[in-house]
Amino acid sequence: DGGITQSPKYLFRKEGQNVTLSCEQNLNHDAMYWYRQDPGQGLRLIYYSQIVNDFQKGDIAEGYSVSREKKESFPLTVTSAQKNPTAFYLCASSIGAASREQFFGPGTRLTVL
Amino acid sequence: AQTVTQSQPEMSVQEAETVTLSCTYDTSESNYYLFWYKQPPSRQMILVIRQEAYKQQNATENRFSVNFQKAAKSFSLKISDSQLGDTAMYFCAFSRGTGTASKLTFGTGTRLQVTL
Repeated sequence: DGGITQSPKYLFRKEGQNVTLSCEQNLNHDAMYWYRQDPGQGLRLIYYSQIVNDFQKGDIAEGYSVSREKKESFPLTVTSAQKNPTAFYLCASSIGAASREQFFGPGTRLTVL
Repeated sequence: AQTVTQSQPEMSVQEAETVTLSCTYDTSESNYYLFWYKQPPSRQMILVIRQEAYKQQNATENRFSVNFQKAAKSFSLKISDSQLGDTAMYFCAFSRGTGTASKLTFGTGTRLQVTL
């Protein structure tokens, strides 16, 4: 079945450590996205990628980094520079301009202790 | 920049009744798309319905329909014959119609509780 997978579902890290969240899709979509969700704030865009080896900052990119070495993979690293990293992280993908519709993964809950 | 506003943080409806969730947006774009996403307790985001701004006809998907008022920049969601499985957070979202990446701008959401 085609879809988007995110792993792990729950992640715990100590303050000051970098952590990488996985996102894989087998939908053959060109574009991929990372969102952060906090209570009462909806979803906010962190980074997005339109094609392999290219990505752009979203609205809240500070303290995060990404890579897009393969079409199906778009990992997100939460660095120690992110001041408040505890949140729910959602990955999404879209075909591109024709659809304008995004498909979401199940999310990763990151807790920094 | 685009903004999306959902002014109802929480709503409740009895099973089989109809409920309307409100959404307003602000943009200077003429070509854009609007969406309603559902996020149940599992937290999986699910697309409920989409509307292209250039289409005058309101979108409908089974029990879900929208009232799209372009001049008023309003995009409300009507759920008919509400079911217990409709209990979820509902997010309104905006996407520009140009460019390759369909970046979404989300509202803060409305928590809907369907009761017996």
